[in-house]
Amino acid sequence: GAVVSQHPSRVICKSGTSVKIECRSLDFQATTMFWYRQFPKQSLMLMATSNEGSKATYEQGVEKDKFLINHASLTLSTLTVTSAHPEDSSFYICSARFRGSYEQYFGPGTRLTVT
Amino acid sequence: AQSVSQHNHHVILSEAASLELGCNYSYGGTVNLFWYVQYPGQHLQLLLKYFSGDPLVKGIKGFEAEFIKSKFSFNLRKPSVQWSDTAEYFCAVNSGGYQKVTFGTGTKLQVIP
Repeated sequence: GAVVSQHPSRVICKSGTSVKIECRSLDFQATTMFWYRQFPKQSLMLMATSNEGSKATYEQGVEKDKFLINHASLTLSTLTVTSAHPEDSSFYICSARFRGSYEQYFGPGTRLTVT
Repeated sequence: AQSVSQHNHHVILSEAASLELGCNYSYGGTVNLFWYVQYPGQHLQLLLKYFSGDPLVKGIKGFEAEFIKSKFSFNLRKPSVQWSDTAEYFCAVNSGGYQKVTFGTGTKLQVIP
């Protein structure tokens, strides 16, 4: 149980375009979803926390107009990287938590490459 | 603010050797502590967790961790590692409630057959 999927697993886009990454909880209702970014040889950096039906809370230094997060349902959150730049190339990971749980369940990640 | 430090960045062990990975956190209040593992090409998985109670926590695959409050530590141990334990290990802390989880920088473990 507690499976989280991400789509796509890899995406390549041109500089200036936007790309959307989906995060789904497959067998539970995720009241909270988290978006992380992982740089090579570094830890996960929390970008934002989103609760179903409300606006995402962004961490300091993360541009909310650039990284749009939508948590429209209890099983789906999306991260849209707008006007992508090569420095946005990274590994993006989502996780989800259900009500009453401290644990987070992680998706497999999405490798974004901006050319 | 909470923070987590993992002192070992890369550890190389032979099979059957014992393992101890250090994790220290900084936060003065109640904490929940986690160890996650990321096998090559796979996503993060929970290895074990501590919320309260017995400070010695047993997880999957023979791993255990001990919460020592006075030292702000939550070290991961395994008495005898296997080649299949080759992975990256992340310590994480959550300051109680439903606050965010902060991850350490990770330790790459390489087990040599």
